[in-house]
Amino acid sequence: DAGITQSPRYKITETGRQVTLMCHQTWSHSYMFWYRQDLGHGLRLIYYSAAADITDKGEVPDGYVVSRSKTENFPLTLESATRSQTSVYFCASSGQGRGWSEAFFGQGTRLTVV
Amino acid sequence: TQLLEQSPQFLSIQEGENLTVYCNSSSVFSSLQWYRQEPGEGPVLLVTVVTGGEVKKLKRLTFQFGDARKDSSLHITAAQPGDTGLYLCAGFNTNAGKSTFGDGTTLTVKP
Repeated sequence: DAGITQSPRYKITETGRQVTLMCHQTWSHSYMFWYRQDLGHGLRLIYYSAAADITDKGEVPDGYVVSRSKTENFPLTLESATRSQTSVYFCASSGQGRGWSEAFFGQGTRLTVV
Repeated sequence: TQLLEQSPQFLSIQEGENLTVYCNSSSVFSSLQWYRQEPGEGPVLLVTVVTGGEVKKLKRLTFQFGDARKDSSLHITAAQPGDTGLYLCAGFNTNAGKSTFGDGTTLTVKP
């Protein structure tokens, strides 16, 4: 099915472990984004990518790593998970152009670090 | 850093009432999007406004972009319980290539 999918939907991990959240889109959108959503903070941008092999930091990149070897995939890795990284993570994609941007979001991954 | 302030943060009203949600910034945006998010789901795009002063209507929802493209409002007429959710505005900056989100307005419409 066309769209943007995230996996897993739920994940519990221990402090210090490496965790990778997956994101896959079928629209061939050039832009992809990772956000975290916490109570009281809305959506905060972690990393984004304008195209394959092009990534850039957002507001809160510390502790996270991204890669984009293929247009359709944009995995997010927590190198050594901390409790402060407990959050809901959303991946989004966008075919930006002409001064406007409309993002399409995945269903989110709820990550708990214990 | 461009900031977007949404107000009110929480809104609880009875079915049939009207309401307005505001999204304000000191920065100019190339465009502004409104999203609606339900619990356990990702945000879903409602509308994009691009031109200063632009007004768009989506059934009972009216969206307006400020003349200076720094602010926007969402007005809902005769709210329904199905309108319940988190409403997010996002301002897009072409030069930065990314959007800034407001913290959202949580709307509850009671039957």
